[in-house]
This record gives sequence, structure tokens and C-alpha cells, in this order.
Amino acid sequence: QLQLLASGPGLVEPSETLSLTCSVSGGSMISSNYHWGWIRQPPGKGLEWIASVSYSGNTYCKSSLQSRVTMSIDTSEQHFSLRLSSVTAADTAVYYCARHESAGSFYYWGQGTLVTVSP
Amino acid sequence: DIVMTQSPLSLSVTPGEPASISCKSSQSLLHSNGYHYLDWYLQKPGQSPQLLIYLGSNRASGVPDRFSGSGSGTDFTLKISRVEAEDVGVYYCMQVLQTPRVTFGPGTKVDIK
Repeated sequence: QLQLLASGPGLVEPSETLSLTCSVSGGSMISSNYHWGWIRQPPGKGLEWIASVSYSGNTYCKSSLQSRVTMSIDTSEQHFSLRLSSVTAADTAVYYCARHESAGSFYYWGQGTLVTVSP
Repeated sequence: DIVMTQSPLSLSVTPGEPASISCKSSQSLLHSNGYHYLDWYLQKPGQSPQLLIYLGSNRASGVPDRFSGSGSGTDFTLKISRVEAEDVGVYYCMQVLQTPRVTFGPGTKVDIK
């Protein structure tokens, strides 16, 4: 059973860079069938896709976040990462990592990690 | 970007009664392979979202058959034939036509009367 575990700092100061890692277990990350993505959910609000990465390192970002997002993947260490720069209070959210199946659906999700942007 | 809308945004249902949620996309989700690239998810309180329906009408593994998805082009519907207490939560549609650049709808909150 594939498992994803998101981890992050919990608290980030405004204007700093948020860094998150998603550790994957129970299956290999090396497959052209899948992409690995980040989705966030501000408190009390809906889901927003942020970015995804292929096993070979091709990245795709939501257009409104593209200038601030960096994604990377390390298939040997079984994890992928998100960096979001110049954060503001609007970036406060639960951040989920998930795997896109071949048709794009997110079947496997991590548990989510809350990141609060505050001085 | 494809914009997704849902209605209603909130729904209160009597157990055992049916429920229906509408989802509309700003452009057709019909792929050249004949499938509609539209998913439905349920986020139960305090949990990560879970996939209910993929490619418009296919139930994900383990999803009860009281859930069904239908629709075509830009108009889609999720139906629950007989709502149970465990079905409470927020339901999201999501377009996967432009995968991995996916887009969620705003969500429909379902609770029990």
C-alpha cells in the first residue's frame, strides 16, 4: 500500500521561503505513469492544486504561483519537495502531497501538514 | 485555465434520501479517447480527500455503489442514491483534462438533517 507523508516547519515568517517534503513508501517513484503533486487548503476553504513533478523532474505549476514555486524529486531517496518563496499570510494552509494516477486522478494522499505564516 | 463551478454549495439531506451535486466546467472535458476527464472527491471532516469517481463515471476502489457519476461535455452530476451518516463532508469535482495542471471546484458541503 502506497503511503505519503508530508513534513514541514509548521511556522514560517512572512517573506521567507516555505519548504515541504513528501516521503513516499510502499512503492517506487520511478514510473512514467505517475506525477507527484502538492495541493493546499487554507483554513475553512477549498482545495487548490499548486504544482506537480514527474519522476524525471519535469515540473508543472499553477500559473498564479509559478514565480514563487520550485519543485524537486529524488527517486533514490523516495521523496519530492516543494519550495514556496516570499510567503504571506495568504499561504497559510494545510499542504497535502498526493500521487496523480495515469489519468490524472489523486488516489493516494498524504495526511496533510499545517503551515502557518506569521511573524 | 479551466474553471470549475459547483451547485449547490451547501446541502442538507435526510438519511436514506437521495442527493445530487452539479459540477460545470468552463470548457469541455471530453478527451479524444472518448472519456470525460472529471473526478469527484469527498473530504470527510478532519481527513484528507478521497477519490470517489474518476473519468466521469467510474467508481474508485472500495467506493459504495450508492455513489454514481454522470454527465458529458461541461455538465456533470454526482448522485448519492441513499445518503448515509458517513457521507457527510465536502464534495469536490476536479478536472483532469489538463493533467497534471488540474483544477478543483469550490466544494459542496453535505450534512445530515
